[in-house]
Amino acid sequence: QQPVQSPQAVILREGEDAVINCSSSKALYSVHWYRQKHGEAPVFLMILLKGGEQKGHEKISASFNEKKQQSSLYLTASQLSYSGTYFCGTDQGAQKLVFGQGTRLTINP
Amino acid sequence: NAGVTQTPKFRVLKTGQSMTLLCAQDMNHEYMYWYRQDPGMGLRLIHYSVGEGTTAKGEVPDGYNVSRLKKQNFLLGLESAAPSQTSVYFCASSNPLNEQFFGPGTRLTVL
Repeated sequence: QQPVQSPQAVILREGEDAVINCSSSKALYSVHWYRQKHGEAPVFLMILLKGGEQKGHEKISASFNEKKQQSSLYLTASQLSYSGTYFCGTDQGAQKLVFGQGTRLTINP
Repeated sequence: NAGVTQTPKFRVLKTGQSMTLLCAQDMNHEYMYWYRQDPGMGLRLIHYSVGEGTTAKGEVPDGYNVSRLKKQNFLLGLESAAPSQTSVYFCASSNPLNEQFFGPGTRLTVL
């Protein structure tokens, strides 16, 4: 079943922070985050493998609450290069990912 | 390393025509995937393969067939194209951690 992302779209000014949420109704083995710029392929950001785990990538970090079947992506002091659509993918077994519908992030100068 | 490559980049078909999309990866990955991406729908898995000679259905397999005759190649076929198959198609391969590497995509229009 497809995970649900919120919000669907965010508009920020450069330097502001954002949080993108991903929740699933099924138990999760892991949560994966990808970013896709317009007209390009999705690019891997990070995997969260354990409940409660937090990982970081530049000023982008994420948490995974296994109990609540939720993950959140945190973008701190956003840069123009962070613009794009962010997808969470949930691994529900057999090394297949089910992706959320995406969150479009726009960063304005 | 080229990573994951896809051919063609663009294609226009008439309803009822057939075509094959080719995906190639040079990372020696066992797992390969075909997704379609439609506006507001995210990425949906069509078929996937866990190794040479094996294929399995994903979320939206109807109207598509696949083959994995060689480890590095994964082919997606449309036997009789329909307008509902107008989409952007992405191929991906993954390492054992399931970090997926995507190809550049094929934009298909069915008239």
